[in-house]
Amino acid sequence: DIVMTQSPDSLAVSLGERATINCKSSQSVLYTSSNKNYLAWYQQKPGQPPKLLIYWASIRESGVPDRFSGSGSGTDFTLTISSLQAEDVAVYYCQQYYSTRTFGQGTKVEIK
Amino acid sequence: QVQLQESGPGLVKPSGTLSLTCDVSGGSISTNNWWSWVRQPPGKGLEWIGEIFHGGSTNYNPSLKSRVTISVDTSKNQFSLKLNSVTAADTAMYYCAKDGGVNWGQGTLVTVSS
Repeated sequence: DIVMTQSPDSLAVSLGERATINCKSSQSVLYTSSNKNYLAWYQQKPGQPPKLLIYWASIRESGVPDRFSGSGSGTDFTLTISSLQAEDVAVYYCQQYYSTRTFGQGTKVEIK
Repeated sequence: QVQLQESGPGLVKPSGTLSLTCDVSGGSISTNNWWSWVRQPPGKGLEWIGEIFHGGSTNYNPSLKSRVTISVDTSKNQFSLKLNSVTAADTAMYYCAKDGGVNWGQGTLVTVSS
């Protein structure tokens, strides 16, 4: 299995400030023949199913605000919220889909 | 836009079998996509259970593989989950999803209790 580890488990950020979430995989999720990282990011608000934000590590899903960005390659990835808004309070998960699928444990983002 | 809807019993007895169905609307299940089940125990994170392709190929979470069966019925445009020998640890919100998470159902809460 590929194990996904997120850090931190939670963070509190002031409105308008940057939030950064890290995700590390136990083995590379980069498919070298296509040069694509099989890594997605999801946002889950209370009482709702998760919502896809980012796929292929850095491609924003349609309709996702451009303050959300994904970066990284191989085993180390980052989700950045450039200017935190109140509606961004949620739990964020990374997921690898290189070998079946596994999720990270989640990172809770709150307002400071 | 594909829509997914889970259905099934909300209460299952310990040692019994959890059975859920996901109805797919707004598109055919017989497309080049994988159809997944994901669960989330109360207050905890997401756990991928497994997935199926319309032709019947499956992939399962190794930790659940011995107890899980996912099947597809293309004539009804739906796919199903069976989880055997359930315990209280299987109490969770169960979601169905397209391609592991592109689209999600609203989820259905299944409680394992006598």
